[in-house]
Amino acid sequence: DVKVTQSSRYLVKRTGEKVFLECVQDMDHENMFWYRQDPGLGLRLIYFSYDVKMKEKGDIPEGYSVSREKKERFSLILESASTNQTSMYLCASSLSGGGPQETQYFGPGTRLLVL
Amino acid sequence: GEDVEQSLFLSVREGDSSVINCTYTDSSSTYLYWYKQEPGAGLQLLTYIFSNMDMKQDQRLTVLLNKKDKHLSLRIADTQTGDSAIYFCAEARRGGYNKLIFGAGTRLAVHP
Repeated sequence: DVKVTQSSRYLVKRTGEKVFLECVQDMDHENMFWYRQDPGLGLRLIYFSYDVKMKEKGDIPEGYSVSREKKERFSLILESASTNQTSMYLCASSLSGGGPQETQYFGPGTRLLVL
Repeated sequence: GEDVEQSLFLSVREGDSSVINCTYTDSSSTYLYWYKQEPGAGLQLLTYIFSNMDMKQDQRLTVLLNKKDKHLSLRIADTQTGDSAIYFCAEARRGGYNKLIFGAGTRLAVHP
């Protein structure tokens, strides 16, 4: 079974704080993704990574950065948290190579509240 | 446009069939997915269908794909209270990797 874990289920931070969200997968997947989920908007891609130390911007990268120092770990960083970053953050991973093996598997999510 | 569209809410009686509909936009999409999200949880993959198929059945789940109309549906037979969740459809678009575009999700409420 694919397992994707996220470091926190719930986080409360203050405006201006630096926030780290961690994601770890145990299936040796090449690709890892960070999404945010907001009611009525579905999931929107923030950043993804297709290899160690590689990253690509998604659809809404502003205000976020990422780090992938090891294959199994992908971190999302909010340099200076703002209230409009209050959201549910979901991490996912997948193999490469095209086709159904690129199916994405999701972690349980981190609900972040920025006050 | 870019959007994958789903109705936001569906209410069904326990034991009835549920049909959740989705329209997508890119005719070159390779795979279409259904994910389930239970309250407070991440997304769980339910099933997927390759774009050259019309139908896929997996136990109580039936996926129908009308490629001409870019319409995808998920039918859940004998709906149970444990099926109450948000259901997301997603299309995998061709590119450097299979970029997933998600709909806003359909909240399924199952009542006795």
